[in-house]
Formats: sequence, C-alpha cells, structure tokens
Amino acid sequence: EIVLTQSPATLSLSPGERATLSCRASQSVHSYLAWYQQKPGQAPRLLIYDASNRATGIPARFSGSGSGTDFTLTISSLEPEDFAIYYCQQRSNWPYTFGQGTKLEIK
Amino acid sequence: QVQLQESGPGLVKPSQTLSLTCTVSGGSISSGGYYWSWIRQHPGKGLEWIGYIYYSGSTSYNPSLKSRVTISVDTSKNQFSLRLTSVTTADTAMYYCARDVFVVANYYGMDVWGQGTTVTVSS
Repeated sequence: EIVLTQSPATLSLSPGERATLSCRASQSVHSYLAWYQQKPGQAPRLLIYDASNRATGIPARFSGSGSGTDFTLTISSLEPEDFAIYYCQQRSNWPYTFGQGTKLEIK
Repeated sequence: QVQLQESGPGLVKPSQTLSLTCTVSGGSISSGGYYWSWIRQHPGKGLEWIGYIYYSGSTSYNPSLKSRVTISVDTSKNQFSLRLTSVTTADTAMYYCARDVFVVANYYGMDVWGQGTTVTVSS
C-alpha cells in the first residue's frame, strides 16, 4: 500500500499569505494525484487532479505541482474561505489512498 | 449536473450488516470512465477508500475490508450499493459515495461526492 505523508499537520497563516502544503508518496504515483478540500460537516471537494490541473470552478489561486513522489499544493493568497483541511490522494496503485490531511488554520 | 445521494440506516447493531445505497441523478451510471466509489471517514479522522465498481460490474475492494465488503450496481435504477458484513464499533463512520474519473490513462479525480451519511454501530 502506498503511504502518503502530508506536511505540516497544521499550518497557521493569515489571510493574504501564501500557503504551501506538501504530500510525499512512499513510492512513485506518477501524476495520479489529486487534492481535496474539506470543511466541517461537508464532503471533500476536488481541487486539483492529475497533480497540477485545477478542477472545474476552482479559483486560480490554487495550484498543484510535482510528480513521482513529491507534490505540492500552493494557495497563492489565502482567502477566509480557504481555511479547511486538505487531503492528497493517489490513484496509482490499489488500494488508492489518502494522506492524513493538513489543517490550514487562521493565525 | 450529476448528483449523488446516499441512503440507508443510520444505526446498525454489532455483527449485523451495514447496507447503503447511492443514487445517481443528472447522469448515467453506465457512462464509461467512471468508477463509482465508497469512501468512509471515521470521526475526526482521515479518509479511507472502501472500494469501487464499474458499470460493467467489475469491482475492487480495499484489502483491509475485502472479506466483508460487497459493492453492487443496478444500472436500471442508476444506483450502486455497499454491503459491509459483521460490523463492529470500528465501522462507525461517515460514509460517502463518489464518482472517480479515470479515462484513457488520465486521472480526473473524484469530482462528485454525496453529502455523506453517518452510520453508527451500537447495540
């Protein structure tokens, strides 16, 4: 099973700041990686697919990069609605797995 | 647009079978490239992919649950279902259905999710 390790576990930033979230895979997942945002009481929402492509309706301040084992989700300038938990997920090897999440909180 | 809606009992007794259904509206479950999935989230925890089914009936199950899980599809009703047998309190979780999109070696992510349904295992 591929293990996805997200860091940091918690990120404390202020609106307007840049957020950089990391996801490292225990073996290559090629570009078969997605990022999701989850707010309390809601289902996850797809942000990024295939490592670097924004999903429909996702603002341009969200971007993804990386391939192989190291991936990054960047939020260029935080809006108040961006404070949430972010998960990465791989679809390279079954069972497909999620990272443990990064909680982005307001500083 | 496509919407998913989970349904089923919110309370299941230990050792019994958990059964949930996901109804797909606004699109056909028989469209190619879509893998109809069940994911769960234990209280305050991360996400676990339980398994998925293709409209043809082909399935994959997480090895951690494989002996207890069955996912089936009813294309006539545009629904797919989850059965989890011999449940314990460890199966208490929020259960989501989702559409996972993989077409011609390109991955498009799980782009549509149901709102989730809470299942509690308790006597």
